[in-house]
Amino acid sequence: DAKTTQPNSMESNEEEPVHLPCNHSTISGTDYIHWYRQLPSQGPEYVIHGLTSNVNNRMASLAIAEDRKSSTLILHRATLRDAAVYYCILRELEYGNKLVFGAGTILRVKS
Amino acid sequence: DAGVTQSPTHLIKTRGQQVTLRCSPKSGHDTVSWYQQALGQGPQFIFQYYEEEERQRGNFPDRFSGHQFPNYSSELNVNALLLGDSALYLCASSLGEYDTEAFFGQGTRLTVV
Repeated sequence: DAKTTQPNSMESNEEEPVHLPCNHSTISGTDYIHWYRQLPSQGPEYVIHGLTSNVNNRMASLAIAEDRKSSTLILHRATLRDAAVYYCILRELEYGNKLVFGAGTILRVKS
Repeated sequence: DAGVTQSPTHLIKTRGQQVTLRCSPKSGHDTVSWYQQALGQGPQFIFQYYEEEERQRGNFPDRFSGHQFPNYSSELNVNALLLGDSALYLCASSLGEYDTEAFFGQGTRLTVV
């Protein structure tokens, strides 16, 4: 299973941007980079995904390094509701939508 | 539009017993995956069902089994419960085996005593 490395925790101030890093040095050419988050007492929630190019959606932006060995999830203006565990996942195409979760990054947002 | 629903939300079982957890996928979804999440850890993939067949399986013993019904709903069965089976069990649904987005339910909290 593909592996990712994320910081255990990060802290941000409300209304400020947050950059959540993820390293995936063993990524293969067909692996997709997915981000999910898990709010307290809830199941994980899809945030964004990408393959090679940077991606934007209503929730966040995903910046992918040119060599694809790292990526960054960007929350443009953190709110208290963004406090959650953020998981960076490599989805291997041959395994369909099986998700291999690591420990994730605990994001704390201060008001 | 109802999302993924799981039942029950909580239950307590005794070591050695058997348990069945249930999942109804999001409307229109035909693929169901099950995950186990121990306290303080990320979810671990158990298996995935599509077209009423187990398509993929994670590193879990045969005590863990499942079923998918013609209406796409699914059950997770665990036999001979161990204390270590205490966890949050999550169900995720998607449209097909290769859909890019999985929708998760809120989970069933199983406590084995």
